[in-house]
Amino acid sequence: ETTVTQSPASLSVATGEKVTIRCITSTDIDDDMNWYQQKPGEPPKLLISEGNTLRPGVPSRFSSSGYGTDFVFTIENTLSEDVADYYCLQSDNMPYTFGGGTKLEIK
Amino acid sequence: EVQLQQSGTVLARPGASVKMSCKASGYSFTSYWMHWVKQRPGQGLEWIGAIYPGNSDTSYNQKFKGKAKLTAVTSASTAYMELSSLTNEDSAVYYCTRGVTRYFDVWGAGTTVTVSS
Repeated sequence: ETTVTQSPASLSVATGEKVTIRCITSTDIDDDMNWYQQKPGEPPKLLISEGNTLRPGVPSRFSSSGYGTDFVFTIENTLSEDVADYYCLQSDNMPYTFGGGTKLEIK
Repeated sequence: EVQLQQSGTVLARPGASVKMSCKASGYSFTSYWMHWVKQRPGQGLEWIGAIYPGNSDTSYNQKFKGKAKLTAVTSASTAYMELSSLTNEDSAVYYCTRGVTRYFDVWGAGTTVTVSS
């Protein structure tokens, strides 16, 4: 089973600042990493799919990079509406595994 | 529009079983895997398993083998998950989500299961 270690667990930034979240996998997963946003009381929303592909309709301030075992998710110019939990998901091998999540707050 | 409509909140006793549903619309139900994900209160996400309605092929997270059973009725475009021998650890929100190649794109709103005596 591939373990996904996500950091940080939480962070607080001012609007307009840059957010960086990292996920490290215990095995090489090529570029089969996905990123989700979850707001309170809602299901997760896919932001970026495998191959660092921004999903249609998702603002370009969201991006990701990485290959193999080290992956980074970035929000440029963070807005107040970006307050949410963020999760990475490895889909290279089953069981699919999520990172532990990052809670983003705005100062 | 692709939609997944999940059944409502369930209150169950310890030791009981529950069966929840996920009705798909807006796409060919038999052509996509349907995955199930667990989220305990204030916790992260956990992949339970998946079913391919086209041939009823299933894949389970070893952790949930014996706990979860996935089925699908193609004529109703509905996937089901049954959870057995419920304990407090099974109290959670359970999501169904459509699998597209190697990601989950559309999610249901979730079914809340509360296990309490």
